[in-house]
Amino acid sequence: DQQVKQNSPSLSVQEGRISILNCDYTNSMFDYFLWYKKYPAEGPTFLISISSIKDKNEDGRFTVFLNKSAKHLSLHIVPSQPGDSAVYFCAASGGSGGSNYKLTFGKGTLLTVNP
Amino acid sequence: EPEVTQTPSHQVTQMGQEVILRCVPISNHLYFYWYRQILGQKVEFLVSFYNNEISEKSEIFDDQFSVERPDGSNFTLKIRSTKLEDSAMYFCASGGHSTDTQYFGPGTRLTVL
Repeated sequence: DQQVKQNSPSLSVQEGRISILNCDYTNSMFDYFLWYKKYPAEGPTFLISISSIKDKNEDGRFTVFLNKSAKHLSLHIVPSQPGDSAVYFCAASGGSGGSNYKLTFGKGTLLTVNP
Repeated sequence: EPEVTQTPSHQVTQMGQEVILRCVPISNHLYFYWYRQILGQKVEFLVSFYNNEISEKSEIFDDQFSVERPDGSNFTLKIRSTKLEDSAMYFCASGGHSTDTQYFGPGTRLTVL
């Protein structure tokens, strides 16, 4: 049941360039989307989120874009830094219309930023 | 900055034994969750907990699993009789509002032998 898909298992970019991580979802009831960053042997760390009523949210070097009609969101990191190297998870919530706030995660994308 | 903490960081147990994984959520949060990640797979929802009761549970969360908030600070996940396939990283998360961000702890690595 892949309601949230991250089709690129890995991405490699040069320091200073833009990193674009993509995520697709299938459940139209999702209304809140989040990106988490995860280092090995640590828990997911919240990065940025976006509500379905918006199409863009920006926080410093991180910007998330949401295209509801395409059921697609992306995370842009600019400029990329070596410390950004980690696994990035896309997650979504909503789906039952009630008090269901569980997160459904994608499989993650390993970002490597090369100096 | 407030954070979710989990203990132990690594638990090794024999198949059939009971384990209790402990979490201390962020102090003013009201919503609590357990997730797990089997090696090489995605993070999966197990259970959500609000107002001293389970809000939702996944198919994974069968009768072998239970959760409890025994006092005002701890949130525990108990597995009564562990199976080999329970080996995974278990993450606790908490949220301050029903639509707020969930903040995750560092995880407990459970190894069932």
